[in-house]
Amino acid sequence: ELKVEQNPLFLSMQEGKNYTIYCNYSTTSDRLYWYRQDPGKSLESLFVLLSNGAVKQEGRLMASLDTKARLSTLHITAAVHDLSATYFCAGCLKAAGNKLTFGGGTRVLVKP
Amino acid sequence: NAGVMQNPRHLVRRRGQEARLRCSPMKGHSHVYWYRQLPEEGLKFMVYLQKENIIDESGMPKERFSAEFPKEGPSILRIQQVVRGDSAAYFCASSEGAGANVLTFGAGSRLTVL
Repeated sequence: ELKVEQNPLFLSMQEGKNYTIYCNYSTTSDRLYWYRQDPGKSLESLFVLLSNGAVKQEGRLMASLDTKARLSTLHITAAVHDLSATYFCAGCLKAAGNKLTFGGGTRVLVKP
Repeated sequence: NAGVMQNPRHLVRRRGQEARLRCSPMKGHSHVYWYRQLPEEGLKFMVYLQKENIIDESGMPKERFSAEFPKEGPSILRIQQVVRGDSAAYFCASSEGAGANVLTFGAGSRLTVL
C-alpha cells in the first residue's frame, strides 16, 4: 500500500525568499503529482513527474523527483503573496489505474 | 469544454437524510473518481468507476455509501442516513483512460450534516 507524507504541514514564508516542500512516499510510485488548492476551491494540477531525476518548472515553482530516495520536492523561488495556498503531492501505482494517494498537504502563507 | 461539473456545490442535510452528489466528467472522459476531503486534511480515495462498472471501491465505507456511473447521465455518489462525520468536501475527478497522466478535478460538493 502506498503511503505519502508531506512536510512541513504549514509553512509561513516571507516574500522574496526561497522555500522547499518535501514529499516522501513509502513504496515505488509510478507517477508523482503536485496540486495546488486555494481555500474552498478545487485542485489545480501543477506538475506530473514520471521518472527518476525528472525536474519541471513553471514560474517560481520547480518540482523534482528522486525515485531512489522516494522523495519529491517542490521548490518555491522568491515567494510572492499569490502563492499562498495548500499544496498537495500525490503518488500513483500504475497497477491501480489513476487512483491517487495524497499527502496531508502543506499550507503555505506568504507574508509581505 | 466545461471541465468536470459537480452539483450541488453545497448541500445541507439533517442526520438520517440522504445525500446525492452528481458528477459529469469532462467531454471525452470515461473514467470517474470520487475523493473525500475532511477539513484540514488531504483527499482520500473512495471509488473509481467507468461507464456502468465499478472498478475499485476499496475506499468506500461498507455501509450507507454507494456510487454509480450509468450509461447515460452523470456519476452519482449516494450517502444514505447521513451522520455528522459525513460532513466533508467530496471531489470528483475524471480522466480519458486508466493510463492517462492527469486527473481533472471538479470544484467539489461540500456536504454539511446538521
